[in-house]
Amino acid sequence: GESVGLHLPTLSVQEGDNSIINCAYSNSASDYFIWYKQESGKGPQFIIDIRSNMDKRQGQRVTVLLNKTVKHLSLQIAATQPGDSAVYFCAENIGGGSYIPTFGRGTSLIVHP
Amino acid sequence: DAGVIQSPRHEVTEMGQEVTLRCKPISGHNSLFWYRQTMMRGLELLIYFNNNVPIDDSGMPEDRFSAKMPNASFSTLKIQPSEPRDSAVYFCASSLPGRVRGYTFGSGTRLTVV
Repeated sequence: GESVGLHLPTLSVQEGDNSIINCAYSNSASDYFIWYKQESGKGPQFIIDIRSNMDKRQGQRVTVLLNKTVKHLSLQIAATQPGDSAVYFCAENIGGGSYIPTFGRGTSLIVHP
Repeated sequence: DAGVIQSPRHEVTEMGQEVTLRCKPISGHNSLFWYRQTMMRGLELLIYFNNNVPIDDSGMPEDRFSAKMPNASFSTLKIQPSEPRDSAVYFCASSLPGRVRGYTFGSGTRLTVV
């Protein structure tokens, strides 16, 4: 993948396992959160989002959990597949009229067949 | 829609040369963003435009970097003169104003300055 993975936290899982990727955010004023997936040679792609008035949102094989008390976000991927191998970024939108996400450093997910 | 289109995909240039990166946003998206991605700094916002007007260029590292958006379907990021520390992947993204959810990235330009 992009060389950014060399210095990122890495999560290695076996195919079929569930994966949990964690993210801490810093701004209590953030009102919207997004998870992106970046595959090798591509730009980040939207996976799932959640607003600050929710604590859980489910998509296809993915679930995002938001804990505003401790400013923590997680992405759960069910039945992880080799195609899920990528770098995952959480992003927060600070709100107040701003619509520009602020990206975290990312986590590299490696799925072993 | 073909998505956000960036060119070239790869660029190798010598230190001191001028480099121009190009971006075509998704049709109808009025906001355009340039990012730089490196191992050390992650994904950094360099500059963004709304309706072809630069709104915030505080992320542009120095005067060697400049960006233009002459019309709604085209933007350039120029580095003159380029330096080895500019080596990175540069991404362009576009969205509808006020719509973070529709934020779409291009595939990036990998720049190597030797």
